[in-house]
Amino acid sequence: DAKTTQPNSMESNEEEPVHLPCNHSTISGTDYIHWYRQLPSQGPEYVIHGLTSNVNNRMASLAIAEDRKSSTLILHRATLRDAAVYYCILRPMEYGNKLVFGAGTILRVKS
Amino acid sequence: NAGVTQTPKFRILKIGQSMTLQCTQDMNHNYMYWYRQDPGMGLKLIYYSVGAGITDKGEVPNGYNVSRSTTEDFPLRLELAAPSQTSVYFCASSPLAGGPSWTQYFGPGTRLLVL
Repeated sequence: DAKTTQPNSMESNEEEPVHLPCNHSTISGTDYIHWYRQLPSQGPEYVIHGLTSNVNNRMASLAIAEDRKSSTLILHRATLRDAAVYYCILRPMEYGNKLVFGAGTILRVKS
Repeated sequence: NAGVTQTPKFRILKIGQSMTLQCTQDMNHNYMYWYRQDPGMGLKLIYYSVGAGITDKGEVPNGYNVSRSTTEDFPLRLELAAPSQTSVYFCASSPLAGGPSWTQYFGPGTRLLVL
């Protein structure tokens, strides 16, 4: 499985945007980029995913570099409820039915 | 939909005891998974199933067993509990593999302490 690299932790102020980076220099052309987050004492939850183009949904935006070797999860206005561990995961397009979790990025949000 | 449900929420076991962690999903998903998460670490896949009657090992299967007799249920069995199995266990499910909209849905977890 292709590997991802994320910072161990990041800190943000409430109501400000947060940019969570992920490097995946060995990504293959058919790997989806998935983001999940895990709130304290809960199971992971899906945030967003993309292949080549930037993606937006109600939770976040995903910006994918043109060469696809990196991506950034953008939370437009962080709230205290966004404090969580964020995981960037690559998933093969065909028959990709498993997720390989790294340690993720711990996001702390200050009020 | 309740999604993925797990029982119990928390359990204390003595070394050598056995127990079954229950997992049920009501989304008619073919795939189901068991993960464990040790403190400060990411999730590691224990076992997964692609449908009733079909299971396969993940990254850390030793000390565990699974079965899948129905689409909805995927129990995880610990036969001889050891302190190294102290962890939080998450069950997950997903629809058929592949496809642009594929994602996994996780349960709330079972916290297991082996003393």
